[in-house]
Amino acid sequence: GAGVSQSPSNKVTEKGKDVELRCDPISGHTALYWYRQRLGQGLEFLIYFQGNSAPDKSGLPSDRFSAERTGESVSTLTIQRTQQEDSAVYLCASSFFRENYGYTFGSGTRLTVV
Amino acid sequence: DAKTTQPTSMDCAEGRAANLPCNHSTISGNEYVYWYRQIHSQGPQYIIHGLKNNETNEMASLIITEDRKSSTLILPHATLRDTAVYYCIVLTDSSYKLIFGSGTRLLVRP
Repeated sequence: GAGVSQSPSNKVTEKGKDVELRCDPISGHTALYWYRQRLGQGLEFLIYFQGNSAPDKSGLPSDRFSAERTGESVSTLTIQRTQQEDSAVYLCASSFFRENYGYTFGSGTRLTVV
Repeated sequence: DAKTTQPTSMDCAEGRAANLPCNHSTISGNEYVYWYRQIHSQGPQYIIHGLKNNETNEMASLIITEDRKSSTLILPHATLRDTAVYYCIVLTDSSYKLIFGSGTRLLVRP
């Protein structure tokens, strides 16, 4: 597709359940990023993937959060045992390697934990 | 990466120029200034970036002071669709981690 695609666009889940969020980057973009944005707040960096290199997981807030990426394609962000404070918009972005101006963001997944 | 300081909010009239300032007094010689914006309910969008020379593209102009300690993003003829949060970010060309601060919330008034 022409842009970064994220699914689902909205997700409501019960506290304690696991959720999986998906990101389809732009074809050819080797770098992929996940960010979290709580209501009224700025973007928080979560994790970065670049090709076959080890991902930068320094932004993951707890061990309940994990992410995977298959090669240079789809990525999934998994949140286990969701808590209410996990409620946020989760944004994915992709780019060519080291092209900071080439970040393209998806529209995000709005996660609500009830 | 150097930190930036931006006003919390600004407003301007539709059709007028919007000038958004950013202070980055601790910027290093190899750090670029990037501007992104986030329109409500959308992901951030790249606007422009520069090192030390002024830059212009179809969206905006970027004016960087000679000492590089501050810059101004200029939207020459603001429209209602330019209402958004504008983020000023500094990082090296080899960095990959965009760190978003609080940004400036720009309101364009009819």
